[in-house]
Amino acid sequence: DAGVIQSPRHEVTEMGQEVTLRCKPISGHDYLFWYRQTMMRGLELLIYFNNNVPIDDSGMPEDRFSAKMPNASFSTLKIQPSEPRDSAVYFCASSFLAGVAETQYFGPGTRLLVL
Amino acid sequence: AQKVTQAQTEISVVEKEDVTLDCVYETRDTTYYLFWYKQPPSGELVFLIRRNSFDEQNEISGRYSWNFQKSTSSFNFTITASQVVDSAVYFCALSGDNNAGNMLTFGGGTRLMVKP
Repeated sequence: DAGVIQSPRHEVTEMGQEVTLRCKPISGHDYLFWYRQTMMRGLELLIYFNNNVPIDDSGMPEDRFSAKMPNASFSTLKIQPSEPRDSAVYFCASSFLAGVAETQYFGPGTRLLVL
Repeated sequence: AQKVTQAQTEISVVEKEDVTLDCVYETRDTTYYLFWYKQPPSGELVFLIRRNSFDEQNEISGRYSWNFQKSTSSFNFTITASQVVDSAVYFCALSGDNNAGNMLTFGGGTRLMVKP
């Protein structure tokens, strides 16, 4: 089975540009999570979806960040406009919740550098 | 509020040494889940183990073992006869069985360096 797929793996952009990160969860998983990892703040949950519906976006840093999940097999995280402080590794994870907390499986991450 | 503390930010050992990575957690949930993930230099996060709060049996998987002690709120991870390939950052994480789905709270990670 394919794991969580993220694209692009690396992104370098200039300040002010729009950035779109993509994620395909594991088939059959009904939870999808977006995390950001930085040296200063470690791993932070940005937002998560259940059955394509955003459940908690309290971790989204500001209005420049938005996330969508138009269907069960695709999600995007968009930053517009991007700023240098957005430079980080962004992870997508998915899990299947069957009444108890299940394991989250992570994608390989997108390393974003905003110049 | 949930919290996970990994007090050891960095550990360096020589190959074949045993090493224990500490994890202490705080939660008010009566049912919760503990996880360990490995992040090798390539950057991905690899799931290692999941343990629920009602199962205090220690677990062994090859050179890896986990010691869950509810009395001290600890879930420590031991690598026996460490190898260079074990060099990575290891994260302990906690998830509560509340209405917040299975949101994970991560510790700050422990960077393990195994030298040949």
